[in-house]
Amino acid sequence: GQQVMQIPQYQHVQEGEDFTTYCNSSTTLSNIQWYKQRPGGHPVFLIQLVKSGEVKKQKRLTFQFGEAKKNSSLHITATQTTDVGTYFCAGPPSYNFNKFYFGSGTKLNVKP
Amino acid sequence: DTGVSQDPRHKITKRGQNVTFRCDPISEHNRLYWYRQTLGQGPEFLTYFQNEAQLEKSRLLSDRFSAERPKGSFSTLEIQRTEQGDSAMYLCASSLGRSDGGNQPQHFGDGTRLSIL
Repeated sequence: GQQVMQIPQYQHVQEGEDFTTYCNSSTTLSNIQWYKQRPGGHPVFLIQLVKSGEVKKQKRLTFQFGEAKKNSSLHITATQTTDVGTYFCAGPPSYNFNKFYFGSGTKLNVKP
Repeated sequence: DTGVSQDPRHKITKRGQNVTFRCDPISEHNRLYWYRQTLGQGPEFLTYFQNEAQLEKSRLLSDRFSAERPKGSFSTLEIQRTEQGDSAMYLCASSLGRSDGGNQPQHFGDGTRLSIL
């Protein structure tokens, strides 16, 4: 069945270091969304990418959608302690908009 | 925008009992999703409603699970004959629909944490 994997599972960085999480889907996605979940909280929407090869930036965050629409990445420049949380990619398979699959997540810890 | 609300926040019950959770989405949102999340995992898709119609249900969902959205507003998720493996956080999310069928951001509630004794 549909699988969306993310690597790494955990990442510990020193404040100021960069961070990247990679998302890979077993099938082509219609679009991809990224969410952040703080400890004890619920997922919060960050961004959506729709087009093949699309790149979007939000301040220190850069999101990329692969050419084949099967992979994506999130890069954070100069991490801050406020970046702590788990980052999930998610999206519907191209064959069915009604399903929505989340990745396994990357948990980021930032040491001050 | 009062956000998505879920009730109860916590539910502790004995194995074999039935439980029902409620989700009130953002009022103008016609799409509603239910997910299950266990510790260290991403939300697992359970079911999807567009207005009152249940358009998708995960094959992972056994016959013990049922969801409704009778008037296209609030939704309920019922689990019958609960098992230990049902212990998880149950999340509800809502979003606006797009005329082209595409996706909009999902807004999540705080979830209902179910513990089976």
